[in-house]
Amino acid sequence: EVQLLESGGGLVQPGGSLRLSCAASGFTFSSYAMSWVRQAPGKGLEWVSVIYSGGSSTYYADSVKGRFTISRDNSKNTLYLQMNSLRPEDTAVYYCAKGRYYYGSGSYYYFDYWGQGTLVTVSS
Amino acid sequence: DIQMTQSPSSLSASVGDRVTITCRASQSISSYLNWYQQTPGKAPKLLIYAASSLQSGVPSRFSGSGSGTDFSLTISSLQPEDFATYYCQQSYNTLKYTFGQGTKLEIK
Repeated sequence: EVQLLESGGGLVQPGGSLRLSCAASGFTFSSYAMSWVRQAPGKGLEWVSVIYSGGSSTYYADSVKGRFTISRDNSKNTLYLQMNSLRPEDTAVYYCAKGRYYYGSGSYYYFDYWGQGTLVTVSS
Repeated sequence: DIQMTQSPSSLSASVGDRVTITCRASQSISSYLNWYQQTPGKAPKLLIYAASSLQSGVPSRFSGSGSGTDFSLTISSLQPEDFATYYCQQSYNTLKYTFGQGTKLEIK
């Protein structure tokens, strides 16, 4: 059974830092791209970042580029999100999501499993 | 960036109704479109991938269609557990995935 368990959320002051972790089990972690997706209170889903299976390819939403860093430790089956220079607008539940490809007429990518989320609150 | 726009933003319907939610992309995305369902306090759940492929375990009353810029999610006969918020998401741009703003489906 696939399980994704986020941790590391909490209350942090503006300008502060936080590192989120996502412990994965039930699948070959090193073979799959992983993403972070966030949801501000009462708002919709916002994709934050993706890291592909090798770990060398990473991409970010414009809203977090230069402040957040995604990484993975395939030996520990763990995904990370280092968040620096945090702003009140970064307040959200942060989900990690496992990606999967379906190879039909193209290479279709989707998020097939999600963690339960961890809440980050940026406030003084 | 590819913008995804859902309509309507909210919808009231009754158990047994047929409901359709639409999603429009700001540029052609072929069939690189997924649909998710989210209930309050829970993580999103994948319903449809590649515009029309039903995820394993998802009831057959859910279906997806469309290609290019216009897509739809249809629920053929609403059940009580279907009242939730639905999101579309494009995977055409693999450097920057984007979601629609969501459609909240409420009980009439």
